[in-house]
Amino acid sequence: EDQVTQSPEALRLQEGESSSLNCSYTVSGLRGLFWYRQDPGKGPEFLFTLYSAGEEKEKERLKATLTKKESFLHITAPKPEDSATYLCAVQGLGGATNKLIFGTGTLLAVQP
Amino acid sequence: EAGVTQFPSHSVIEKGQTVTLRCDPISGHDNLYWYRRVMGKEIKFLLHFVKESKQDESGMPNNRFLAERTGGTYSTLKVQPAELEDSGVYFCASRLAGGDTQYFGPGTRLTVL
Repeated sequence: EDQVTQSPEALRLQEGESSSLNCSYTVSGLRGLFWYRQDPGKGPEFLFTLYSAGEEKEKERLKATLTKKESFLHITAPKPEDSATYLCAVQGLGGATNKLIFGTGTLLAVQP
Repeated sequence: EAGVTQFPSHSVIEKGQTVTLRCDPISGHDNLYWYRRVMGKEIKFLLHFVKESKQDESGMPNNRFLAERTGGTYSTLKVQPAELEDSGVYFCASRLAGGDTQYFGPGTRLTVL
């Protein structure tokens, strides 16, 4: 069964303190791994898609990387506005639905 | 370009009542998805439309849930009769044919008392 596990559940950082969020996955053939950001009371906002091991994507202070078993979301010199829940999701190759299998997310709080 | 919209943003109903949630996808997106997040759990897939056809409804919890997408535009998700365990946030997402990215709406928070 396809599964996504995210760690830590919650992370508190000081402004400027870099860190990484982890997403471990098991899937019967990976079509893509997705990172979303979710603010309170809003829907998930798309950040990145990664397709194959070794791939990296960057956006401002965020960089996502992918191996055959996990993905990392690296946050460099975070700011308070980076505070949000970060969600990881995978799409398997089986079927034509392209449905997303989500982890429970990492709640990031960046303090000034 | 307008994003995915959902209505209402919040609904509070009594157990046994009926509720209908609406989703308007991004214009031109043939693929429409419904997901749900219950408290403390991950977001879970409910079903997938391609235009007006149900492609996959394997995530629908039971036959109290009915989804429609008449004309292949907006979609509705009806819960009848609602039970306490149906409480949660219902998200809609849409995707362009041939694309990979699903774009999510703001969600409808359903509370069943």
